[in-house]
Amino acid sequence: DAEITQSPRHKITETGRQVTLACHQTWNHNNMFWYRQDLGHGLRLIHYSYGVQDTNKGEVSDGYSVSRSNTEDLPLTLESAASSQTSVYFCASSVQGASDTQYFGPGTRLTVL
Amino acid sequence: QQQVKQSPQSLIVQKGGISIINCAYENTAFDYFPWYQQFPGKGPALLIAIRPDVSEKKEGRFTISFNKSAKQFSLHIMDSQPGDSATYFCAARGNTGKLIFGQGTTLQVKP
Repeated sequence: DAEITQSPRHKITETGRQVTLACHQTWNHNNMFWYRQDLGHGLRLIHYSYGVQDTNKGEVSDGYSVSRSNTEDLPLTLESAASSQTSVYFCASSVQGASDTQYFGPGTRLTVL
Repeated sequence: QQQVKQSPQSLIVQKGGISIINCAYENTAFDYFPWYQQFPGKGPALLIAIRPDVSEKKEGRFTISFNKSAKQFSLHIMDSQPGDSATYFCAARGNTGKLIFGQGTTLQVKP
């Protein structure tokens, strides 16, 4: 069955380290998104991509970067991890525009010490 | 103007009761309003969605009521069950094509 996976599921890192969170989907969806979930803030968009080589900043993109070299993967990189980036990160994908159903991965819980 | 405000933050309902979660928005350009359901340790999943040309959409025990003039929409869960205990997010699609999510409501249905 087609699916969307994230790895690792849990990560503990230290302030200042570079961290990469993986997202892989097998639906062949053009659109992929990264969100962070924090209590009281809901889901906030970090970066998104509407296709290979396309990347765009969301509302909370500072300190994060993405690259899209193929349809299946959109890795999220924290250039220099900060304690404020401790959060649960969700990757999602959809077929067309963001109005179409977004399918979410299981999430990665990141702790920055 | 890009915000979606959701209330309450948490809700406790007895089994068989009605759960009501409300959302409000400012941007009149929003044109698609989905609700997502999230169980602990899982990613959110689409529950039900509505477009502003209708005032109500019902799927089983779940109903979205939409008031375009008031710029408000709500989720009603009829005959609430313990299995409905989850976090619910409303969202709206803006003119940039991205979804803007509300803050989330944690629902607990007591047996």
